[in-house]
Amino acid sequence: QLVESGGGLVQPGGSLRLSCEASGFTFSSYWMTWVRQAPGKELEWVANIKQDGNERYCVASLKGRFTISRDNAKSSLFLQLSSLRAEDTAVYYCARVGIPRRGYYVMDVWGQGTTVTVSS
Amino acid sequence: DIQMTQSPSSLSASIGDRVTITCRAGQSIGSYLNWYQQKPGKAPDLLIYAASSLQSGVPSRFSGSGSGTDFTLTISSLQPEDSATYYCQQTYSTLSFTFGGGTKVEI
Repeated sequence: QLVESGGGLVQPGGSLRLSCEASGFTFSSYWMTWVRQAPGKELEWVANIKQDGNERYCVASLKGRFTISRDNAKSSLFLQLSSLRAEDTAVYYCARVGIPRRGYYVMDVWGQGTTVTVSS
Repeated sequence: DIQMTQSPSSLSASIGDRVTITCRAGQSIGSYLNWYQQKPGKAPDLLIYAASSLQSGVPSRFSGSGSGTDFTLTISSLQPEDSATYYCQQTYSTLSFTFGGGTKVEI
């Protein structure tokens, strides 16, 4: 199970830290990811992080503003959002990256999402 | 980033119809292609992975095919609970897992 928190209303230019707490599986064994969805829009992959946190990938358009991190001791995933803009308004989902077959990645466990609204 | 293009963006069909959704990748991605179903207000659910492998628990009326740049999701006999938006996703590169624009299926 994945449970996100930390969303809310923030002014343009502000910052927010999203959290995702995992339970029911060995968190440290999995890549994890963030996906967001603006109101009425498609899913957008945001960032991935490797099991040990030493590899991180973020969508090019968000680099420098969003940072993914994790704390395996607390089975928690984080997304630091900064310099927020109105277009960052979205539901942010965390998901587990499973490997059902060697080399093939899937998002097989999802949280319920946390809503970020950027508005003055 | 690898661009993923789905078509149509929406469709309307009747119960029992055969429904086909297509997804095209901007470059060859082998069979590194997943399909997800999302219902309003809910997180997506994985349907198909590796282009044609059915996720455990998913009804057999769902199937996937394709490789390279062209992929298809087929619902063999549409059911009321299949009303949802469907997304393809490429995982060819761990650097980015891009999604298609989605296909909304209405009954």
